[in-house]
Amino acid sequence: GENVEQHPSTLSVQEGDSAVIKCTYSDSASNYFPWYKQELGKGPQLIIDIRSNVGEKKDQRIAVTLNKTAKHFSLHITETQPEDSAVYFCAASNPSGTYKYIFGTGTRLKVLA
Amino acid sequence: EPEVTQTPSHQVTQMGQEVILRCVPISNHLYFYWYRQILGQKVEFLVSFYNNEISEKSEIFDDQFSVERPDGSNFTLKIRSTKLEDSAMYFCASIREGREKLFFGSGTQLSVL
Repeated sequence: GENVEQHPSTLSVQEGDSAVIKCTYSDSASNYFPWYKQELGKGPQLIIDIRSNVGEKKDQRIAVTLNKTAKHFSLHITETQPEDSAVYFCAASNPSGTYKYIFGTGTRLKVLA
Repeated sequence: EPEVTQTPSHQVTQMGQEVILRCVPISNHLYFYWYRQILGQKVEFLVSFYNNEISEKSEIFDDQFSVERPDGSNFTLKIRSTKLEDSAMYFCASIREGREKLFFGSGTQLSVL
């Protein structure tokens, strides 16, 4: 069935360093790939997304890359700050009409000051 | 900025009792969802709802679960006879027609004792 794998499950970086989180998906029909940030006790918040007709997208310190052939996509955070500490989820969605998202297992990012 | 609102934020119930979780999606959104997140695990799809009917449901969404849009604003999830394993954070979400961005509420933490 549909599946999204995410690695690593935890990631600790020094403030100012870069962080990279990787996901792979199984459904080749998936064409939309959002990333969510979840802070403690809150709902997931969309931070960036990418569609399958684009290979890379950047928004300030955050970028996402997509390799549709390999069914990989990655989140890159540069110049990390303590407030970037949170759980990050990737997701994949296909144009089936219901816009159902399949989420990855999450990455707990800790930015050490 | 419009947001998805959920009530209550916390719900404690005894095993076997019925619970109703309430959500008010963003007003111009037409697709509605319930997801759940067991502590420390990924966000899992439960059900999608469009045009006053269920459009897709997961294996988790068995006969004990039901959804309803009783009026033009509320969207509810009912669990008829709660089990211990229903303990989780339940998120409501919505999407505007023609868009793919899923907006989440802040969740209801359900604890079944």
